[in-house]
Amino acid sequence: EVQLVQSGAEVKKPGESLKISCKGSGYSFTSYWIGWVRQMPGKGLEWMGIIYPGDSDTRYSPSFQGQVTISADKSISTAYLQWSSLKASDTAMYYCARQEGTYGDYWGQGTLVTVSS
Amino acid sequence: QSVLTQPPSASGTPGQRVTISCSGSSSNIGSNTVNWYQQLPGTAPKLLIYSNNQRPSGVPDRFSGSKSGTSASLAISGLQSEDEADYYCAAWDDSLMVEVFGGGTKLTVL
Repeated sequence: EVQLVQSGAEVKKPGESLKISCKGSGYSFTSYWIGWVRQMPGKGLEWMGIIYPGDSDTRYSPSFQGQVTISADKSISTAYLQWSSLKASDTAMYYCARQEGTYGDYWGQGTLVTVSS
Repeated sequence: QSVLTQPPSASGTPGQRVTISCSGSSSNIGSNTVNWYQQLPGTAPKLLIYSNNQRPSGVPDRFSGSKSGTSASLAISGLQSEDEADYYCAAWDDSLMVEVFGGGTKLTVL
């Protein structure tokens, strides 16, 4: 069974760093792209970027380029999304999704990130 | 402002057929396939329709998708109370080089 399990909710202060994770199982982790999607409170879905764990090829949405870093450790079938300096506007739910072609066929349960002083 | 345009809300009574539209442009829907996601309250999005009109295993055939030119639509027949959710369309955009989503349509079953 394909599963993506994300790390738990985080509460951080502005300026702090953060790395959240997405662990894949039940399939060949290195053979599919993993995408990250942001959902701000009460809002819609925003595509942030994708990574191919096989060779770490990474693509970012221009809206998120320079704001976050996407990485992966294929040895433990885990993708990451990280911030070096969080802002209050980063408060959102973040989802990872396995990309089958142009669509996300399996999604993680989401990680809620709250940034507040 | 989302790149793909969806009505913010839709509604229907049990058993009815409802459609949700998704309008884009030549750089996204006009040149790429459309996918639809269902997001039940408090849960992660779930793939509902891919490649314009394909249903993943386990998705009831009450759900169907279509595409024409730069627009797409999702139809739900035999509406059920458990269909109450947010629905999002999505497509790759060749100009922006990103996946773009619609703003979402909140479906209410009356």
